[in-house]
Amino acid sequence: DVQMTQSLSYLAASPGESVSISCKASKSISNYLAWYQQKPGEAYKLLIYSGSTLQSGTPSRFSGSGSGTDFTLTIRSLEPEDFGLYYCQQYYEKPLTFGSGTKLEIK
Amino acid sequence: EVKLLESGGGLVQPGGSLRLSCAASGFTFTDFYMSWIRQPPGKAPEWLGVIRNKANGYTTEYNPSVKGRFTISRDNTQNILYLQMNTLRAEDTAIYYCARTPSYWYFDFWGPGTMVTVSS
Repeated sequence: DVQMTQSLSYLAASPGESVSISCKASKSISNYLAWYQQKPGEAYKLLIYSGSTLQSGTPSRFSGSGSGTDFTLTIRSLEPEDFGLYYCQQYYEKPLTFGSGTKLEIK
Repeated sequence: EVKLLESGGGLVQPGGSLRLSCAASGFTFTDFYMSWIRQPPGKAPEWLGVIRNKANGYTTEYNPSVKGRFTISRDNTQNILYLQMNTLRAEDTAIYYCARTPSYWYFDFWGPGTMVTVSS
């Protein structure tokens, strides 16, 4: 199985700052990577697919980059509603696998 | 508006069975693959399997970790997705989610999840 590693399990930042969340695949997955946001009591929300394509409705302050094994989700000018858990997921091969998540706390 | 709502979770004894349902609305159900995903407390989500759309014959594919114990099916007249879980173990304790799956294998809409606890 492709292992997805999110090295930072926790991150705190202030509104207005920019943050980057990394995700590393155990083998090359081209750009078959998605990013999700999970907030308490809410359904998972797809933010980005194909490594860098914003899902409809995702604010433009979110961006994704990377290909191969290393990927980054960047949030520019953080808003208070951006707190939550962020997960990456590869869909290069099955079984589809997720990273362990990065919790973003707003200071 | 796309809506997915899981039901059927609860407490079950080890070795028992449970069937989860996922009611779908707001889209043409038969056009989409549908997946089940679970998330044990404090752990990463785990994809369990998928049932394809009408164009692909409603075939299924499973994560080897649950193949043979879990079965995914769908009622395309009532727009309901099912997950039949047999021979349940303590490690199956998790929140179970259904998710719409574009044929590109990510998940564009999720339900809020239903909790399954396997314990005596």
